[in-house]
Amino acid sequence: GEDVEQSLFLSVREGDSSVINCTYTDSSSTYLYWYKQEPGAGLQLLTYIFSNMDMKQDQRLTVLLNKKDKHLSLRIADTQTGDSAIYFCAEKIDSGYALNFGKGTSLLVTP
Amino acid sequence: NAGVTQNPKFQVLKTGQSMTLQCAQDMNHNSMYWYRQDPGMGLRLIYYSASEGTTDKGEVPNGYNVSRLNKREFSLRLESAAPSQTSVYFCASSERGTQYFGPGTRLLVL
Repeated sequence: GEDVEQSLFLSVREGDSSVINCTYTDSSSTYLYWYKQEPGAGLQLLTYIFSNMDMKQDQRLTVLLNKKDKHLSLRIADTQTGDSAIYFCAEKIDSGYALNFGKGTSLLVTP
Repeated sequence: NAGVTQNPKFQVLKTGQSMTLQCAQDMNHNSMYWYRQDPGMGLRLIYYSASEGTTDKGEVPNGYNVSRLNKREFSLRLESAAPSQTSVYFCASSERGTQYFGPGTRLLVL
C-alpha cells in the first residue's frame, strides 16, 4: 500500500502537551487510527476518527484530521510518564481489509 | 473476555525447524490477521482471513502458511524457519475495520 509517514521520535516534559503527526497518501482512507505500544506489549487501540470528521476528543486525547492535506495528528494533553510509548498511525482503505501502518513515533516523557 | 490471545509468548528455533503460532479471539469477529514487527519497519501484514474459510496473502507472505481453523482460531506456520524470520508476531481480529491485537509472540531463529 501507499506509505503512512510519521516522525520517529518526540520528547516532551511531564505536564506539557504532546503532538504526534502523521501523513497518509491514500485519499480513499475511511478510518484513521492511533495505536499505543508499550515496551514488550501488543498494540492498544487509543482512538480512531472517521474520514468525514475533522476532530475527535476523548479525555486527554484530541485527534485532528485535515483531509485536504492528508494530515492526522494526535494531541495528548498534560502528558504523563506513563504515556511514554510508541504511537502508531494507521489507515483503513475503503476497498481493503487490512490496516496500513506508519513506522511509529517513540514518545519519551521526561520528569 | 480475554480478547485476542497468542501462544507461545516466546520461542527460540534453529534454522530449518518448523513451528505453529497460535491465535484465538473471543470477540466473535469475522476477520483475523497476522503481522510481523521489525525494528524500523513498523507492522507488515503477512496473511489475513476476511472470514471463516478464506485466507489471503498480505505484504510479506513468503515462508509462511496459515490456517483459519474456525471462527475463533487463526494459526501461522513456519515450515522451515530462517534467521530472517526473527521478529515479533502479532495476531489481530476485527469487525467493521477496527483491529484488536494480541500481546505478540517473540521469535528468535538461530
